[in-house]
Amino acid sequence: GDSVTQMEGPVTLSEEAFLTINCTYTATGYPSLFWYVQYPGEGLQLLLKATKADDKGSNKGFEATYRKETTSFHLEKGSVQVSDSAVYFCALSLNTGKLIFGQGTTLQVKP
Amino acid sequence: DAGVIQSPRHEVTEMGQEVTLRCKPISGHNSLFWYRQTMMRGLELLIYFNNNVPIDDSGMPEDRFSAKMPNASFSTLKIQPSEPRDSAVYFCASSFLAGGSGANVLTFGAGSRLTVL
Repeated sequence: GDSVTQMEGPVTLSEEAFLTINCTYTATGYPSLFWYVQYPGEGLQLLLKATKADDKGSNKGFEATYRKETTSFHLEKGSVQVSDSAVYFCALSLNTGKLIFGQGTTLQVKP
Repeated sequence: DAGVIQSPRHEVTEMGQEVTLRCKPISGHNSLFWYRQTMMRGLELLIYFNNNVPIDDSGMPEDRFSAKMPNASFSTLKIQPSEPRDSAVYFCASSFLAGGSGANVLTFGAGSRLTVL
């Protein structure tokens, strides 16, 4: 079935380090791909999205490229800040509207 | 816009009691989703509606769970009777889904934290 797999967390980095959170997916057809972020005590917020192969989504210094050949949508940021500490969810959306999330990856950034 | 409004934010109840969680989606949105989040199982889709009609309820754990959407501006998730394993954060989310489009961007509420003793 359709699914999303993310790298296990927590990921712990020092401020200004480079971030990569891996995400791969399995889907029938051509899904849209998303990264959502959840700060403590809050609901999920859309971080970025890509709707077709080779699209790059970007927001707040974060980027992810839709790679159809490797079925991946890895999240990257060149220089993380303490305020980026949160849980990051990769997700895919099907034409039915159903949104399927990965298990989430906790990022901790230390000063 | 006030966003997706969920109530109550916190609920503590005893096993066997009925629990009703409420959600007001964003005005103009035509899809509504209920998710459950726990440490063990992550974020699980319970049910979603499109134009007030349930489309997929395959994630509803068992008959103790039911969800309704009587109109475009209100939905409920009911658990009766509640059990300790139902303790979780329940999120409601809404979106505007254009026909045939997969780019479904959800707006989430702040969640309802349920504790069943």
